[in-house]
Amino acid sequence: QSVLTQPPSASETPGHRVIISCSGSSSNIGGNTVNWYQQFPGTAPKLLIYRSNQRPSGVPDRFSGSKSGTSASLAISGLQSEDEAHYYCATWDDNLNGWVFGGGTKLTVL
Amino acid sequence: QVQLMQSGAEVKKPGASVRVSCKASGHSFTSNHMHWVRQAPGQGLEWMGIINPSGGSTSYAQRFRGRLTMTRDTSTDTVYMYLSSLRSEDTGAYYCASSIGWYSNFEYWGQGTLVTVSS
Repeated sequence: QSVLTQPPSASETPGHRVIISCSGSSSNIGGNTVNWYQQFPGTAPKLLIYRSNQRPSGVPDRFSGSKSGTSASLAISGLQSEDEAHYYCATWDDNLNGWVFGGGTKLTVL
Repeated sequence: QVQLMQSGAEVKKPGASVRVSCKASGHSFTSNHMHWVRQAPGQGLEWMGIINPSGGSTSYAQRFRGRLTMTRDTSTDTVYMYLSSLRSEDTGAYYCASSIGWYSNFEYWGQGTLVTVSS
């Protein structure tokens, strides 16, 4: 049972937009910024979004993040087949005094 | 270019201990904190703990306290993760990941080390 709640799966057709949610509480998302990671099978995760809405150099602007209250979301527009991957949200939890991850969302591009 | 190079796969028996190393290059070793994150087969990511290579201070996730130790060697820019009293549930991929600060994102990741615990 993950501290942060994500839908286990999401799907959308190429060219369209998908939003992946991440729900937490006041001790984690409510008081801290959220990071998002992308992971392809058999490989290490890669930083996709940091500080809730910032993109590292090299990440396409099709990827965007937002946060409101105790929830965060990752939006991917202009979906491409290569976006098919697992996506994880993560943040610091003040009560647990450690980092927590969402359970991950498997994105399928139909 | 920042690179985190981890040691190779390990196979251990229940009750044994494992050591995984992570050698950093391309950035200041003592200016970047190092985390360990593990992933059971087919499961999500789980944060294990963090070490500040500068002073060696550490913080471990509650569920690993008593079994987990993180150390660093500043002469070789390498951090180590020791996990003891291994059980089958510890099987999985172990990743090191670096961050600028204690509360910063995990910017760079190692390639992962598969640890298999089996009798």
